[in-house]
Parts: sequence; C-alpha cells; structure tokens
Amino acid sequence: SQKIEQNSEALNIQEGKTATLTCNYTNYSPAYLQWYRQDPGRGPVFLLLIRENEKEKRKERLKVTFDTTLKQSLFHITASQPADSATYLCALGDGGATNKLIFGTGTLLAVQP
Amino acid sequence: DAGVIQSPRHEVTEMGQEVTLRCKPISGHDYLFWYRQTMMRGLELLIYFNNNVPIDDSGMPEDRFSAKMPNASFSTLKIQPSEPRDSAVYFCASSPRGYGYTFGSGTRLTVV
Repeated sequence: SQKIEQNSEALNIQEGKTATLTCNYTNYSPAYLQWYRQDPGRGPVFLLLIRENEKEKRKERLKVTFDTTLKQSLFHITASQPADSATYLCALGDGGATNKLIFGTGTLLAVQP
Repeated sequence: DAGVIQSPRHEVTEMGQEVTLRCKPISGHDYLFWYRQTMMRGLELLIYFNNNVPIDDSGMPEDRFSAKMPNASFSTLKIQPSEPRDSAVYFCASSPRGYGYTFGSGTRLTVV
C-alpha cells in the first residue's frame, strides 16, 4: 500500500541555521508533491508545490527538492526563525483529474532563539 | 476573500446523536475535500467533490458518515449516529485543479 514517511521525532535547531525536513514515499508515483505548514489549533497552510519534472523549487527562505528516483523530497528553511516553529506536512498528488492529496503525518520543527 | 469557512469550530455531543459539520469553500474552487485529523492517523481523506459531484468516498469510515454538496458554495458532513471514536478534528479544504489546497480552521468534534 502507499506509504509516506516523515520524521516522527521533533527537529530542534538553533535560530539562524538551516532546517532540513525529509519526506519519503513508497508504492507511489506522484505527479507532484506539496508542502504545508500547520500551527496548533489551525488548518494546514499551503507553502510550495513541485512537479515530478522539476528538481528544485524556491520561495523566499524555502527550498524544496524532489527526487523521483530516490522517492524523496527535502524541505529546507534557511536562516530559520522561532516563528518558523510549526508542524510541516508533505502531501503527494497523483495528478490527472483527481486532484486529491495523501498527507504524511508531519514533522514538528522547533527553532530555538 | 474570507477563505474556507467551517462551522461550528467546536462540537461536543453525546454518543448516538446526529452531528452536522458545515463548509463554505472559496468561490471559484471546483474541488472540495473533507479530511479528518487525529494524533494516531494524521490527516485522512474522507471524501472529495468536483463541481459539486462526489468523486471518491472510499475514505468514509462507514455508513454512519455521509456528505453532500448541494451547490458550489456549501457542503455538509453528517455523522449519524455518532460514536466516541469519531472524536477528531474535521477539516474542509478547497482548491482549483492542480494547485495547493486552502483549508478551513476545522471543527473539533468530541463525542462523549
């Protein structure tokens, strides 16, 4: 069955460092991959979308890579700030007409001042 | 745009009662999704609609769950009868095809 794995342990880093979060998947060939941020008590917020034919995408301090051979995406936050502390979810979409996403369980990022 | 609007924000009900959750998607988004989130299982897709038509309800746990989308601006998720194991946060999301989702703030359901 399809499986999406994100590091279940919290990631603790120091302010100013680069945070790197990992999303691995099996038994799946997604057409695109998305990253979301979720704060406690709130719904996920869309951050970035990367398609299967794209290797890398950037938005301000965020960078996402997508390796369909390794079946892995890496999500980087450079110059991290305490305000970046949240749970980050990856989600895979199979494209076509479905437009539906399967979500990973998320990784909690804590940026220490 | 006010975003995706869900109501109520919190619902506490007794086992066996009917629960109705409501969602107003963003105008112009032709996809609407209902997800359930728990600590154990994360975000699970329950059902989604395209242009008000249910496309895939394979995630609906059992016949006690039903969803409708009578028009492009309104959807409901109903649980009848509710059980304690239905306690979770229920999210509605909408999107255009091939783009990121916009989620509502969720409804926290507690069944006692």
